[in-house]
Amino acid sequence: GESVGLHLPTLSVQEGDNSIINCAYSNSASDYFIWYKQESGKGPQFIIDIRSNMDKRQGQRVTVLLNKTVKHLSLQIAATQPGDSAVYFCAENSHGNKLVFGAGTILRVKS
Amino acid sequence: EAGVAQSPRYKIIEKRQSVAFWCNPISGHATLYWYQQILGQGPKLLIQFQNNGVVDDSQLPKDRFSAERLKGVDSTLKIQPAKLEDSAVYLCASSFQPGTYEQYFGPGTRLTVT
Repeated sequence: GESVGLHLPTLSVQEGDNSIINCAYSNSASDYFIWYKQESGKGPQFIIDIRSNMDKRQGQRVTVLLNKTVKHLSLQIAATQPGDSAVYFCAENSHGNKLVFGAGTILRVKS
Repeated sequence: EAGVAQSPRYKIIEKRQSVAFWCNPISGHATLYWYQQILGQGPKLLIQFQNNGVVDDSQLPKDRFSAERLKGVDSTLKIQPAKLEDSAVYLCASSFQPGTYEQYFGPGTRLTVT
C-alpha cells in the first residue's frame, strides 16, 4: 500500500550528475506505470510511462526501468539540472482502473 | 492548448464551515478526476467522472464531500462541514477518455481548515 508520512525521502545530487529515483509498487496486477514531477505550488506533470510488457523505456534525458519480479520501478535522469528539482511520484494502474500514487521522493539539485 | 483550470488557488476556512472548489478541464476531455493531496503524500483519488456520470467515488467521504459535473464539462467539489483533517491540496485532472492513462493536472486548490 501507500507509505504515509511528512518526511519524504530526499535525493540530493550535483548539477550535471545522473539521478536515480526508486519506487516500490504494491499491486502485482498493475499493468501500467507513470512517473510524475510535481513542483512547488503546481499539479503533477507527466514525465514518462511504461507498460508491464516492457522493462525499459527511454525519453529525453529520462529512462524508466521496471522490474516486475521484485515490483520495483526506477526513474533515471541524465545530466540533472536545477530545473529538475521537484517531488517525483510513481503511480500504478491496473487494467484501466484508478491511478494509485506512491509517497514521493524529493530531488534537490545542487549547483 | 489551455490546461486544467482550478479556482480558488487558496482557501482558509474554520472547521464546520463549507467550501467549494471549481474545475474546468481541458477542452474535449471527457474524463475528470478530483484528488486530495495531503502534505507529504501522493494524490488520492476522490471521484472520477465520465462526462456527467460518476465512474468511481469509492474513496469520497460522502457524509461531507459532494461533487457534480452537471453539463459534462466544469465540475465542483464541495465540503460541508469541513474538518481539520480536510486540510490538503485538492487537485483536478482530466483525460481524453477513460482507459487513457495520461491525466493532465490543474494547479490545485490549497485548503487550510483552522
